[in-house]
Amino acid sequence: ETGVTQSPTHLIKTRGQQVTLRCSSQSGHNTVSWYQQALGQGPQFIFQYYREEENGRGNFPPRFSGLQFPNYSSELNVNALELDDSALYLCASSFGRASGGNTDTQYFGPGTRLTVL
Amino acid sequence: QKEVEQNSGPLSVPEGAIASLNCTYSDRGSQSFFWYRQYSGKSPELIMFIYSNGDKEDGRFTAQLNKASQYVSLLIRDSQPSDSATYLCAVKGRTGSEKLVFGKGTKLTVNP
Repeated sequence: ETGVTQSPTHLIKTRGQQVTLRCSSQSGHNTVSWYQQALGQGPQFIFQYYREEENGRGNFPPRFSGLQFPNYSSELNVNALELDDSALYLCASSFGRASGGNTDTQYFGPGTRLTVL
Repeated sequence: QKEVEQNSGPLSVPEGAIASLNCTYSDRGSQSFFWYRQYSGKSPELIMFIYSNGDKEDGRFTAQLNKASQYVSLLIRDSQPSDSATYLCAVKGRTGSEKLVFGKGTKLTVNP
């Protein structure tokens, strides 16, 4: 167990709907990264939040947005769902740069399986 | 050229054998390298990380890094059926680039 939790575990939505996924980071970690993993593929980086600010974004459209709260938990919001958004969404927690050092190792939560019909 | 490449497998080894998993990366400035194990339907679980050239051992696992060749590998000694999973290689770039770039993973099957 990494101490990273995600909710919900599974979700079924229809095309065009909106969805919010949630993540609680490991105690002591201040950085949350979100990844999308399609079947048979490696995880793809969506974005990262460090101390409530976006700290890097992957090649995903603006309908993918996020938020990090003062307690370092995070949300991933996806608007106007498309069929291709069906995937496992992973949240990873780490202890980010405090004084210019590199982000530490990322530990994954159990993921949210999103199915878009 | 893909940023991180792995043989997709499947790789099949008998119980007790050494499993060798390989990964190459394109960004010469990459600084940190990670191996994750992912069981079917589960999330990735960290096995090892390596930052410096050479070998790093942890129990039955050995990670090897060769930055000149842009190559990182994972050896699993005395393979067990419970090692059957997909192994993901992940690379973090230079300072300021905080994302992990993953390969597609190599599916390993250890046969009893």
